[in-house]
Amino acid sequence: DAGVIQSPRHEVTEMGQEVTLRCKPISGHNSLFWYRQTMMRGLELLIYFNNNVPIDDSGMPEDRFSAKMPNASFSTLKIQPSEPRDSAVYFCASILTRGAAGTDTQYFGPGTRLTVL
Amino acid sequence: AQSVTQLGSHVSVSEGALVLLRCNYSSSVPPYLFWYVQYPNQGLQLLLKYTSAATLVKGINGFEAEFKKSETSFHLTKPSAHMSDAAEYFCAVTGGTSYGKLTFGQGTILTVHP
Repeated sequence: DAGVIQSPRHEVTEMGQEVTLRCKPISGHNSLFWYRQTMMRGLELLIYFNNNVPIDDSGMPEDRFSAKMPNASFSTLKIQPSEPRDSAVYFCASILTRGAAGTDTQYFGPGTRLTVL
Repeated sequence: AQSVTQLGSHVSVSEGALVLLRCNYSSSVPPYLFWYVQYPNQGLQLLLKYTSAATLVKGINGFEAEFKKSETSFHLTKPSAHMSDAAEYFCAVTGGTSYGKLTFGQGTILTVHP
């Protein structure tokens, strides 16, 4: 399996621009997670989906952030307009939840390093 | 509610020395516990997990962790550190109906000196 795929791997943009990050989960997985990692705040869960439905978006920092999962094989995280404080590494992870909840493994993508100038 | 506390944001050891990374958890339901490793410029990778079977769990690269309910701990150990173990390590907890959602600790950066 190719693992979780994220694109782009690096993104440099200017303040005010729209940024779209993409994620392809592992085939067959039914939950998908978006995280943000910074030196100051560590690893933060932004939003997660189960069977393409958003379950909890309480970690999304503000209305400038939105996420969609139109089908089981694709998700996007959009920032509009972007600000310098959004600079971070954004990770996507997926998992096949089955049997006893919580015993399965989340698999992480390589991340997208976003720099907003 | 669940939470994880990793004691020590930085741990430094000599090559060949014991590695001990501490993790304490809080959970209102029976917990499942994970250790992930992150090498520079990479995503997180599973080291090992506790899923209520054996309390001593062996993982990849010679790491192991012991679940101690009475101490609410899940410390990660390796008998002999290798230079390639230098990375950031995250402890995480889940449980209940969570769709696999993990609550992570703040991470511990392990430095290995020659």
